[in-house]
Amino acid sequence: EVQLVESGGDLVQPGGSLRLSCAASGFTYGKYWMHWVRQAPGKGLVWVARINPDGSSTTYADSVKGRFTISRDNAKNTLYLQMNSLRAEDTAVYYCTRNILSGEGFWGQGTLVTVSS
Amino acid sequence: QSALTQPASVSGSPGQSITISCTGTSSDVGGYNSVSWYQHHPGKAHKLLIYEVDNRPSGVSNRFSGSKSGNTASLTISGLQAEDEADYYCSSYTSTSPVIFGGGTKLTVL
Repeated sequence: EVQLVESGGDLVQPGGSLRLSCAASGFTYGKYWMHWVRQAPGKGLVWVARINPDGSSTTYADSVKGRFTISRDNAKNTLYLQMNSLRAEDTAVYYCTRNILSGEGFWGQGTLVTVSS
Repeated sequence: QSALTQPASVSGSPGQSITISCTGTSSDVGGYNSVSWYQHHPGKAHKLLIYEVDNRPSGVSNRFSGSKSGNTASLTISGLQAEDEADYYCSSYTSTSPVIFGGGTKLTVL
């Protein structure tokens, strides 16, 4: 059974840092592009970042470029999102996803990040 | 880049058919056959219903179908059932970003 399980969400002060993790199982993790997508309270889904299968190529939304870093450990079947210089507008549920636009699209259930003093 | 435009809500009675639209531009929906639709029940993972405009993954009911005309993609649900009550999101490849999403549509089964 394919599973993506996010963790690491928490309450953090503005300017702080947080690292999200996503544990993958049930599929050959190292073959897939992986993404982070977020949804702020009462808002729609927004793509955040993506990484290619071997981790050599990353792309970011302008809103997080320079502050967030996506990475992966294929030996541990785990995806990460390092978030620095957090702002109130980064408050959202963060989803780990596989191949959003293909027939193998799959999502985790999300982890909540709250940025507030 | 603005999100794709979806109606905020739609409703229908059991057994009826409903259609959810997803309007973009020639830089996303209209320019590529890379539109996906996801169903989301609160507290659960988003479930892929349709990919590449009109393809259904194995295991997804044939009550769900997708189409596209110009810059607008559509998801049709036929034979509406109570368990179809959920939020629905479209997504598309874009020329400026890997993925863009619609704002989501809340389906109410009356």
